[in-house]
Amino acid sequence: GAGVSQSPSNKVTEKGKDVELRCDPISGHTALYWYRQSLGQGLEFLIYFQGNSAPDKSGLPSDRFSAERTGGSVSTLTIQRTQQEDSAVYLCASSLAGDMAGYGYTFGSGTRLTVV
Amino acid sequence: KNEVEQSPQNLTAQEGEFITINCSYSVGISALHWLQQHPGGGIVSLFMLSSGKKKHGRLIATINIQEKHSSLHITASHPRDSAVYICAVRRKMNRDDKIIFGKGTRLHILP
Repeated sequence: GAGVSQSPSNKVTEKGKDVELRCDPISGHTALYWYRQSLGQGLEFLIYFQGNSAPDKSGLPSDRFSAERTGGSVSTLTIQRTQQEDSAVYLCASSLAGDMAGYGYTFGSGTRLTVV
Repeated sequence: KNEVEQSPQNLTAQEGEFITINCSYSVGISALHWLQQHPGGGIVSLFMLSSGKKKHGRLIATINIQEKHSSLHITASHPRDSAVYICAVRRKMNRDDKIIFGKGTRLHILP
């Protein structure tokens, strides 16, 4: 596609429910990143995919968070048993390559998650 | 200490002023990005730098690799430049890639 597409754009869920967020990167982009931005906070790195593998999962806040990427394309971020502190905007970005060549990257418009 | 530090944290200026936002980092990098986040939340990539200087319209970005420092300048600032400006570095790692963000600089240009 022309840009990075995220869905849903907004999600309100009850505490304790599971949610799944989706990211469609730019076609051909091998690197995919998930970040989140809580209200008034800076961007927080969650996880990075190179192809289908995730070399760096260090940013996942807890074992309730998981992510996968299939076919080197679409990625889903799953949050189990959501808590109110999970409320944030979840952003996805993709890049042509995740090596040291320093390619630019493109952000999606994010999914605003509200846990009530 | 954060690996990427931005200053100032907040900046208010009058329309027309020359604006400088600074970014210092403490890790080896392959590239540095300047991002703009508008109040609506959308993020736009402004520049990607690995050396020297880049210009786009009224925006200029410079980087000094030896000093591990980058600056974003806005000439003839305008209220529509009001946004959060974020510095992000792509950290050099063996085969992995990680982007580290600064906390952002909130810029408010008064008409």
